[in-house]
Amino acid sequence: QVQLQDSGPGLVKPSETLSLTCTVSGGSMNSFYWSWIRQPAGRGLEWIGRIYTSGDTYYNPSLKSRVSMSVDTSKNQFSLRLRSVTAADTAVYYCARGREHCTSSSCSAYFDHWGQGSLVTVSS
Amino acid sequence: EIVLTQSPGTLSLSPGERATLSCRASQSVTSNYLAWYQQQRGQAPRLLIHRASSRATDIPDRFSGSGSGTDFTLTISRLEPEDFAVYFCQQYGSSPGTFGQGTKLEIK
Repeated sequence: QVQLQDSGPGLVKPSETLSLTCTVSGGSMNSFYWSWIRQPAGRGLEWIGRIYTSGDTYYNPSLKSRVSMSVDTSKNQFSLRLRSVTAADTAVYYCARGREHCTSSSCSAYFDHWGQGSLVTVSS
Repeated sequence: EIVLTQSPGTLSLSPGERATLSCRASQSVTSNYLAWYQQQRGQAPRLLIHRASSRATDIPDRFSGSGSGTDFTLTISRLEPEDFAVYFCQQYGSSPGTFGQGTKLEIK
């Protein structure tokens, strides 16, 4: 059974960089689409971006200027960095495995396995 | 970006009753690439349905999805106590994938 475990600091200062890592166990990372999704308290879900095991990335245009993701298949991990954070970035951050589907114009995914979520608070 | 609007915002029902949740898209969802998730308080979302009507692994058959184009429905045929939660729809027919704001299913 695939399991995802996300980890990282729970408190980040404004203007600094949020960093989270997700460790995948119980299955291979190959052939899947690995994503980060966030949820502010009491609100809906926002997809942040995805990375393949090749290292190819695609980010939500709304966050693209501040986001980067990386993958380390030797450790079965992928990571998120979000720069120049503000209070608006306070949320529970989830890592998730995506099952990708492509149309003639784009590719996206639904998410069949999720990490437990990490609450990140942006505050001085 | 496709906007998904879920209704109602809150649905109050009793165990054993039938629940019908709606998800409407601002434009047609390509290939009916629409998923539904259940989120219990303090937990990660759990995939229930993908491609509008395909149940995910180990999901009970009281959960069913239907619809096409811009209008989709999640139906829970007979509510069990553990079904009271928040439900989200998500479209993955165009990038970026987007989520609805959720419907809270509460005990009446």
